[in-house]
Amino acid sequence: GQSLEQPSEVTAVEGAIVQINCTYQTSGFYGLSWYQQHDGGAPTFLSYNALDGLEETGRFSSFLSRSDSYGYLLLQELQMKDSASYFCAVNFGNEKLTFGTGTRLTIIP
Amino acid sequence: EAGVVQSPRYKIIEKKQPVAFWCNPISGHNTLYWYLQNLGQGPELLIRYENEEAVDDSQLPKDRFSAERLKGVDSTLKIQPAELGDSAVYLCASSLVGSGRGEQYFGPGTRLTVT
Repeated sequence: GQSLEQPSEVTAVEGAIVQINCTYQTSGFYGLSWYQQHDGGAPTFLSYNALDGLEETGRFSSFLSRSDSYGYLLLQELQMKDSASYFCAVNFGNEKLTFGTGTRLTIIP
Repeated sequence: EAGVVQSPRYKIIEKKQPVAFWCNPISGHNTLYWYLQNLGQGPELLIRYENEEAVDDSQLPKDRFSAERLKGVDSTLKIQPAELGDSAVYLCASSLVGSGRGEQYFGPGTRLTVT
């Protein structure tokens, strides 16, 4: 089956750096995406890794290692507005996604 | 550019009643998705359309759920009859096939409460 595991909750300090991990038990996928969702809001696309390695988009970076069945989202210079839920999702082609369990990130002053 | 539009935003119904949700995707997006999201969990795919064809409905409980996408644009998701366990947020998303980035655009969702 397909499963993607994430820590349920993470707390970090404003201005610091935080890493949200995603481990998966699936194969044959095209890439790993990351989405952000504020309470009551719509999931919004953050980042995508088609290849192993690090992808950087402003304060957000995402990493994928297929050999380790592992990926992570790195958020730098944390701001209070980064408090949200973050989901990893595997792309099985034609933009079909299977989402992870989600990580609720809380930023404290 | 207008985003994905969903209505209603909130719906409260009694069990055994029917309910319908409507979605208008981003103009030009040929793929449309309906997801179910329970509190504290990730979205779970119910059905995926490419144009007007349902290409993946394996997770749709067909005894009570139905969906349609007439003319390959707007879509409607229906539940009849609703059960208490159907209380959740129903998300609609759209994308362009072949973008290659796993990027979907989500609407704000419809929060359904079944009492």
